[in-house]
Amino acid sequence: RKEVEQDPGPFNVPEGATVAFNCTYSNSASQSFFWYRQDCRKEPKLLMSVYSSGNEDGRFTAQLNRASQYISLLIRDSKLSDSATYLCVVTLASGGSYIPTFGRGTSLIVHP
Amino acid sequence: NAGVTQTPKFQVLKTGQSMTLQCAQDMNHNSMYWYRQDPGMGLRLIYYSASEGTTDKGEVPNGYNVSRLNKREFSLRLESAAPSQTSVYFCASTYNTEAFFGQGTRLTVV
Repeated sequence: RKEVEQDPGPFNVPEGATVAFNCTYSNSASQSFFWYRQDCRKEPKLLMSVYSSGNEDGRFTAQLNRASQYISLLIRDSKLSDSATYLCVVTLASGGSYIPTFGRGTSLIVHP
Repeated sequence: NAGVTQTPKFQVLKTGQSMTLQCAQDMNHNSMYWYRQDPGMGLRLIYYSASEGTTDKGEVPNGYNVSRLNKREFSLRLESAAPSQTSVYFCASTYNTEAFFGQGTRLTVV
């Protein structure tokens, strides 16, 4: 079983729609949580950090539920430019480092 | 503002050939990582280096070796390339758990 699980999608939505992605992680000792965005054939880039208190950045809202080991990302008013793969990332402390562990990613396609 | 720089960007190897992927970061980060990304598999950790002088295996280390040459540089070596090592390779470094990535190396082994 992978340590970080995501629905691969694709999620195919019209412009203006609200879409939500979920992610679960298996290790309760996980320390930090992130959503990254990856465009086709490019490197992953940080979208936002995720906190138990919730984190909002414009149209994007991320939430962490430590008790359920569950992370979510909500995108409101989807734009064509939001089309990408969204990676759920969890870090674990190991040997003096924090190891980023990635889910397989969820593909989002926003169409006109 | 270079960040993390990987070379080469593309490479084609014949089975059995060797090569080294280079990675350098100019952000003074202690920890560096090598991942591979295959379709449908996400990013999988090959090796990491928590600090200069230390390296540790990740999820998929077989067939690879690494060297943390100094704080800036972390190289990945394929001693005898196999078709199963065809993949996109990403180098990353971390600051306060946020990961910064290089642009990737697309490697094809024929």
